[in-house]
Amino acid sequence: AQSVTQLDSQVPVFEEAPVELRCNYSSSVSVYLFWYVQYPNQGLQLLLKYLSGSTLVKGINGFEAEFNKSQTSFHLRKPSVHISDTAEYFCAVSGSLRGSYIPTFGRGTSLIVHP
Amino acid sequence: DAGVTQSPTHLIKTRGQQVTLRCSPKSGHDTVSWYQQALGQGPQFIFQYYEEEERQRGNFPDRFSGHQFPNYSSELNVNALLLGDSALYLCASSLSWTGGETQYFGPGTRLLVL
Repeated sequence: AQSVTQLDSQVPVFEEAPVELRCNYSSSVSVYLFWYVQYPNQGLQLLLKYLSGSTLVKGINGFEAEFNKSQTSFHLRKPSVHISDTAEYFCAVSGSLRGSYIPTFGRGTSLIVHP
Repeated sequence: DAGVTQSPTHLIKTRGQQVTLRCSPKSGHDTVSWYQQALGQGPQFIFQYYEEEERQRGNFPDRFSGHQFPNYSSELNVNALLLGDSALYLCASSLSWTGGETQYFGPGTRLLVL
């Protein structure tokens, strides 16, 4: 079985400050990793994903994430946040089990950017 | 290009009733996945349809069923509704699915069961 743990349910930060949203996963097989953002009353939008290759992944809106296999982590970072980054962020893992890849999402981290 | 659309946006039902939710995938996408997102939780995978067949299923009872039409649109049916079925139901589409494709999500249908 695979699982995703988002270590912080809420992260408050001031505008223009850096932020890191933490994600750890467990899986017995090789995985694909994703970060999605959900704005109020909207569906999820992909920020970035790791499939293979370079462990540092760059996404949209200035976000990046680093895949760390030994620590089974995929933390999301942004060097300088804006008010408009206030949203819910979900980490997800998709691992192969008997040939199928069923996505598993974390419970989400609410990023709150203060002026 | 219209993205993923879902209907209706909101729905109120009573326990024991049945409900049908609809999804139109992004143009060109052939795979549709359905998720249940309870309040304050992440999305939970219900099932996935490809070529009009259910290809993968999460840990949901048989009360949850679906269908995919030749134009790739899809329906989610829930029978014998329980209070615990109250949630945001999300549809996501992708161009096939081997685990790493980007899924495009619709805005969801919010279901309230009284």
